[in-house]
Amino acid sequence: GQNIDQPTEMTATEGAIVQINCTYQTSGFNGLFWYQQHAGEAPTFLSYNVLDGLEEKGRFSSFLSRSKGYSYLLLKELQMKDSASYLCAVKDSNYQLIWGAGTKLIIKP
Amino acid sequence: GAVVSQHPSWVICKSGTSVKIECRSLDFQATTMFWYRQFPKQSLMLMATSNEGSKATYEQGVEKDKFLINHASLTLSTLTVTSAHPEDSSFYICSASPPGDSTEAFFGQGTRLTVV
Repeated sequence: GQNIDQPTEMTATEGAIVQINCTYQTSGFNGLFWYQQHAGEAPTFLSYNVLDGLEEKGRFSSFLSRSKGYSYLLLKELQMKDSASYLCAVKDSNYQLIWGAGTKLIIKP
Repeated sequence: GAVVSQHPSWVICKSGTSVKIECRSLDFQATTMFWYRQFPKQSLMLMATSNEGSKATYEQGVEKDKFLINHASLTLSTLTVTSAHPEDSSFYICSASPPGDSTEAFFGQGTRLTVV
């Protein structure tokens, strides 16, 4: 079966750095996405990786290793507004998005 | 970026009634749209894939007669929850992607359905 694993919850301090890991086992791979979702709202796109390596976009970076079935989302200079759930999703061989359960990130002052 | 609009944002209905949720792609044509359901503190669960001009594809365990999907145009898909019950109360979200297999999915605002 297809499976995406990420931690259920993480806590970090304002101004610090946090890394959210995601491992996946899917039938085929056509890209990995990270989304941010605030409670009661729809997910918003953060990043996309299809080749191995690091993609940097402002305070957020995402890394992919296809051979290891592994990705991480790195958030720097954490702000209180970064408190949200972070969803890892993989497009499988049918280009269908398979979603992880999400990681709830709690930012403390 | 591309815009997907979903309406209504929230709805309260009585048990036994039907509720229609609309999903529109405002600046691109979407031959395929996706309907998700999300319970509190859980991830998105794909309910069905809406295909323009043809029948929707439902995920295992989703009752197609209860969750009616119509995708009559390239910019509009509708989800109708028929004979709603309290256990249907949930957050329903649609998404669509502009043409191109590597593009991100854009989401509607979501619809909070409460059945009383």
